[in-house]
Amino acid sequence: QVQLVESGGGVVQPGRSLRLSCAASGFTFSSYGMHWVRQAPGKGLEWVAVIWYDGSNKYYADSVKGRFTISRDNSKNTLYLQMNSLRAEDTAVYYCARDKGYSTAPHLNLDYWGQGTLVTVSS
Amino acid sequence: DIQMTQSPSSVSASVGDRVTITCRASQGISSWLAWYQQKPGKAPKLLIYAASSLQSGVPSRFSGSGSGTDFTLTISSLQPEDFATYYCQQANSFPPITFGGGTKVEIK
Repeated sequence: QVQLVESGGGVVQPGRSLRLSCAASGFTFSSYGMHWVRQAPGKGLEWVAVIWYDGSNKYYADSVKGRFTISRDNSKNTLYLQMNSLRAEDTAVYYCARDKGYSTAPHLNLDYWGQGTLVTVSS
Repeated sequence: DIQMTQSPSSVSASVGDRVTITCRASQGISSWLAWYQQKPGKAPKLLIYAASSLQSGVPSRFSGSGSGTDFTLTISSLQPEDFATYYCQQANSFPPITFGGGTKVEIK
C-alpha cells in the first residue's frame, strides 16, 4: 500500500536551516508529482510547494519562495524540502503528499499524505 | 490568490443527521474543488475531487456539488467516525493551491 514517511523535523533556531525527507513506498514514485503542505499548531492547512513527477517544474507559496527548495531523488524514492532562513512563523507540522495525477502535470489533488513531521523554530 | 471561505466554522450535529458544509471561492474555479477530512493528530484524507467525484474507498454518504464559486459537501447520515475537521481546496488558479479555513463537525 502507499506509504509516505516524513523525517528530519525538530527544534531549530531562527535563521538556521533544516532538511526534511519523505520516503515513499508502495507506488511508482517517479510517476507522481509530490507536494509539501504545512499546518501551524491549531491552524489550517497551508500549501508549501510542488514538484513535477520528473522534477522538471517546481512551484512555491510566496511565504517560502527564495528560502525553501523542493527536490526529489527518483532513484531513492525520496522527496526533500530544504528550508533555509527559518522564521518563527515556519513552525508547523510538515506533510508530504502525493498528487493524484499520474505521469502528467499535477492534478493538484492530494490523494495520499504522510503522518507529518514537526518543525519548531525557536531560540 | 484565490481565497476560499468555508461556513460554518463549526457545526454541532448528532449521529444520523444530515450535515452540509459550504465553501465559496473569491473567483470562479470551475469544478477544481476538493474536500478533505482531518481527524485530530492525523493527516488529511481526500474525500472528494473535481467538486463531485468520490475518492476511492470513501463512503457514499459523502457527496459534493457545485461549480464556479459555490460548493457544498454533504454528509447524508453522520456517523461517529465522521466527527472531524473538513477543508475545501481549490486547484484552478495555481500557484498557489489554497485551502479553506476548515469546518469542525462536533458531537451535539
